[in-house]
Amino acid sequence: KAGVTQTPRYLIKTRGQQVTLSCSPISGHRSVSWYQQTPGQGLQFLFEYFSETQRNKGNFPGRFSGRQFSNSRSEMNVSTLELGDSALYLCASSLKGPNNEKLFFGSGTQLSVL
Amino acid sequence: ELKVEQNPLFLSMQEGKNYTIYCNYSTTSDRLYWYRQDPGKSLESLFVLLSNGAVKQEGRLMASLDTKARLSTLHITAAVHDLSATYFCAGLQGGSEKLVFGKGMKLTVNP
Repeated sequence: KAGVTQTPRYLIKTRGQQVTLSCSPISGHRSVSWYQQTPGQGLQFLFEYFSETQRNKGNFPGRFSGRQFSNSRSEMNVSTLELGDSALYLCASSLKGPNNEKLFFGSGTQLSVL
Repeated sequence: ELKVEQNPLFLSMQEGKNYTIYCNYSTTSDRLYWYRQDPGKSLESLFVLLSNGAVKQEGRLMASLDTKARLSTLHITAAVHDLSATYFCAGLQGGSEKLVFGKGMKLTVNP
């Protein structure tokens, strides 16, 4: 079956712009998590959605937001981009959530903010 | 707040050798996960350890969990070059669906 699909694969933006990243989970998976990966901070949790509800949020400013649609696809949005937002953004899906289950990660969106 | 520490962060070893890497976590976490990441690629799930004393093996890798010691180990047996990658362990923050990752260990296996 198809894996987790993230689009776009690469994105270049300038400071102050906003960006929307998309994640399509594995068919049947209802939980989608988002992580930011940077060389300095490593992998950090952004948020997790299950059946269109945000269940958990990480310690990121309000400029980072997300949502999940009824088909379980998820988007995350970053407004007023800063240089420090340059990172690899990974989404991961599972049937019900990370508890007890593997997460299946997408290939990520590499965001560069200039 | 759960904290996860891995050591070492860098390891260079020769093919055929054995080695154990360590993952310590700060508060109760009954779930421990191991992931592998190749350069420029995404994360691949290796093991999910669900209870104290859990041991899982796949190929040359074996992972174990000791919840009393708040320690998980990943043992590499007779390393081969294909095992070169970055290995992450992660714990589940209590009462949430949030994984807290360690900084990762970059493994290089030399011929």
